Amino acid sequence: DAGVIQSPRHEVTEMGQEVTLRCKPISGHNSLFWYRQTMMRGLELLIYFNNNVPIDDSGMPEDRFSAKMPNASFSTLKIQPSEPRDSAVYFCASSFGATNTEAFFGQGTRLTVV
Amino acid sequence: AQTVTQSQPEMSVQEAETVTLSCTYDTSESDYYLFWYKQPPSRQMILVIRQEAYKQQNATENRFSVNFQKAAKSFSLKISDSQLGDAAMYFCAYRSASNNDMRFGAGTRLTVKP
Repeated sequence: DAGVIQSPRHEVTEMGQEVTLRCKPISGHNSLFWYRQTMMRGLELLIYFNNNVPIDDSGMPEDRFSAKMPNASFSTLKIQPSEPRDSAVYFCASSFGATNTEAFFGQGTRLTVV
Repeated sequence: AQTVTQSQPEMSVQEAETVTLSCTYDTSESDYYLFWYKQPPSRQMILVIRQEAYKQQNATENRFSVNFQKAAKSFSLKISDSQLGDAAMYFCAYRSASNNDMRFGAGTRLTVKP
């Protein structure tokens, strides 16, 4: 398996534009997580899905952020409209089955909003 | 939601020496799992070691070991015989056994001096 695949690796966009980050989890994994990493806040959990169903989105900063998982092999994180303070590295991670298994991370998307 | 605290933003160790990174967590659950991840400059998140809360024996992986104190809700990572390649950000993570929630601390940046 190729691991968790995120696209794009880097994104530069202007304030006010819509940004969509994509994630393909490892085949067979049934949990998917979206994290945001910044110097100030470290690694924050934004939202996670179990079996394609959103379980906890309390970490989503505000209504400008939304996440979907239409099927077991694809998820998106959308920011609309984007703001400079959204600049960060966004990670997607997936895991399988029992909770003692680790989460496998993608390479992250570095988002810069100018 | 559970919280994970890493009180050392930065640590430094001499090559071949031993260093301990601290982690504490807050939870009301009795069943959960703890992890340490390493993030080198490449940004990749790499699992270092895991610990099941129901196990009293501390986990060990080669030069890496943990000191798990369940009553104190403490989970420190000890790196023995430190190597230059150990330089990275280290994240402590808590995973709930009941709902798959997985949260990280803010991270500790480890520098290894030759």
